[in-house]
Amino acid sequence: GAVVSQHPSWVICKSGTSVKIECRSLDFQATTMFWYRQFPKQSLMLMATSNEGSKATYEQGVEKDKFLINHASLTLSTLTVTSAHPEDSSFYICSARDFRAGLAGVGGDTQYFGPGTRLTVL
Amino acid sequence: AQKITQTQPGMFVQEKEAVTLDCTYDTSDQSYGLFWYKQPSSGEMIFLIYQGSYDEQNATEGRYSLNFQKARKSANLVISASQLGDSAMYFCAMRQGNTPLVFGKGTRLSVIA
Repeated sequence: GAVVSQHPSWVICKSGTSVKIECRSLDFQATTMFWYRQFPKQSLMLMATSNEGSKATYEQGVEKDKFLINHASLTLSTLTVTSAHPEDSSFYICSARDFRAGLAGVGGDTQYFGPGTRLTVL
Repeated sequence: AQKITQTQPGMFVQEKEAVTLDCTYDTSDQSYGLFWYKQPSSGEMIFLIYQGSYDEQNATEGRYSLNFQKARKSANLVISASQLGDSAMYFCAMRQGNTPLVFGKGTRLSVIA
């Protein structure tokens, strides 16, 4: 299947600094990518939908000024956590939609996930 | 709005036995897809199986099968011949049209030798 990569896989930073996480689709073009956040022992919560060449769509309760998303190309989306604080520590997972070949009956596309980035803010 | 419910926070199963993980969903749409993902301790999300709302037959993928009961809005995952490597979190998810996947809270499966 298609491969989605994330970088870095883990990061530790000081409170107040900004952290950028990259999500790349390696063998397909992803016009749409999604960013999820997962706290320990909880489910994945959708943060935002990233569309190539346009502004991201944020879920209710997600601060767009704090979580900056840029989808500058068909293979790359970035999430920047600005002025990170300990409560932002979480597992961030990106997902990309491959429209080339999909599962019948649901829009003909498949959603692949990156390996995740574990962010720890001290 | 879409909603996925997984009522089993944790499940135990003996190695080589079968186990059923429950999932119910709520939607007013007629066209939707149901997914199951496995998340081991490494954190990666591994796609297991998919069922489309118009599929008349239950989906199967190797040791995984999906018991789809549309009228009851349930999509339970059945894992046959459990293996120690099946120990992980399992998430049920749903998508309608072009919307992103929405996940349930997950079930932690522990396989006992």
